[in-house]
Amino acid sequence: SQTIHQWPATLVQPVGSPLSLECTVEGTSNPNLYWYRQAAGRGLQLLFYSVGIGQISSEVPQNLSASRPQDRQFILSSKKLLLSDSGFYLCAWSVRRVLGYNEQFFGPGTRLTVL
Amino acid sequence: RKEVEQDPGPFNVPEGATVAFNCTYSNSASQSFFWYRQDCRKEPKLLMSVYSSGNEDGRFTAQLNRASQYISLLIRDSKLSDSATYLCVGKNTGNQFYFGTGTSLTVIP
Repeated sequence: SQTIHQWPATLVQPVGSPLSLECTVEGTSNPNLYWYRQAAGRGLQLLFYSVGIGQISSEVPQNLSASRPQDRQFILSSKKLLLSDSGFYLCAWSVRRVLGYNEQFFGPGTRLTVL
Repeated sequence: RKEVEQDPGPFNVPEGATVAFNCTYSNSASQSFFWYRQDCRKEPKLLMSVYSSGNEDGRFTAQLNRASQYISLLIRDSKLSDSATYLCVGKNTGNQFYFGTGTSLTVIP
């Protein structure tokens, strides 16, 4: 069966510090991978998605970046965090299939507080 | 206009009640739809996919109306454990999923 891991679970960082969040998927190959952010009491905001190694699509221009160095590894980074970067960061994967019901499955998330 | 819109609620219902959530979508090209459940401070978890003919999973029934561009979720015989936020999700022919902001449900003893 497939599993998705994220770490760390919780992170408190000062403004201006760098960020690196990691997500890995097991039990599947060539997944689509996604990074979302959920601010307190708000909906999910798609940040990045990737359909393959080195392929990143950015949905929201901001001070975050993403990389996919391996097929089942997705990394979210920032060089300098802002207060507005606080939120619940979720990684998700789905089967790479254009048509049909390719459901998305989420990792446990990283709760980031920028002070 | 948002791709997917939901009534945020909150819905407060007694145990055993039947409750229905609706969700509308704006992109007629949307291909597939899902309902997710999110507990407080947890990740969303897939509740069920929504098929064109409608589908049922135990106490949960999902319907899709393409002509009116809405999706519904019906929960029968509500349990305390059903208390959560329910997210409506649409997907187009590409790789993107569009999430509603969620409907909050509290089942009261």
